[in-house]
Amino acid sequence: DQQVKQNSPSLSVQEGRISILNCDYTNSMFDYFLWYKKYPAEGPTFLISISSIKDKNEDGRFTVFLNKSAKHLSLHIVPSQPGDSAVYFCAASRSAASKLTFGTGTRLQVTL
Amino acid sequence: EPEVTQTPSHQVTQMGQEVILRCVPISNHLYFYWYRQILGQKVEFLVSFYNNEISEKSEIFDDQFSVERPDGSNFTLKIRSTKLEDSAMYFCASTIPLSYEQYFGPGTRLTVT
Repeated sequence: DQQVKQNSPSLSVQEGRISILNCDYTNSMFDYFLWYKKYPAEGPTFLISISSIKDKNEDGRFTVFLNKSAKHLSLHIVPSQPGDSAVYFCAASRSAASKLTFGTGTRLQVTL
Repeated sequence: EPEVTQTPSHQVTQMGQEVILRCVPISNHLYFYWYRQILGQKVEFLVSFYNNEISEKSEIFDDQFSVERPDGSNFTLKIRSTKLEDSAMYFCASTIPLSYEQYFGPGTRLTVT
């Protein structure tokens, strides 16, 4: 079941630069997308989300872009900070309060 | 800030034994979930629970699994007869009605030997 895919298992970015994490999905029934951040030995932490009726949502250093026609979304972090080093999961949902379908995650390493 | 809590943080059990994983969701949340993550794999949905009944479950959630809300605060996942392949991190999550954002607990690492 590969309905949500994150094709880059890892990404290394210098502090201060932009981090771009990508996610693709196949199920056109998804109407809401979320990004979660996960540190080792902790649960996923909600970061930012976007409804399928929007193409951009911004929250401080984090911006999520959605391209519905391409079934693609991306998370931009600018500027990247060492504390951003974590695994980032893209997730999708078909309706409010329904299950989340996760991607495989991208490990972001922000270097000094 | 309210959090989802889970106990124990690590559970080691022998194959064939029953385990109960416990969660305390955020107090005003009404939807509850269990997910699991096998080492190196993605987070997978197991089951959702609302109004004292299962609202959705995955293929993984077979007859060996059950969920319960025994009182006003706890939400439990029981695995009746554990298998080696049940070894994983189990995450509890909760949310309010009409919300998409689910809030996760820190997880319970289950090791089946």
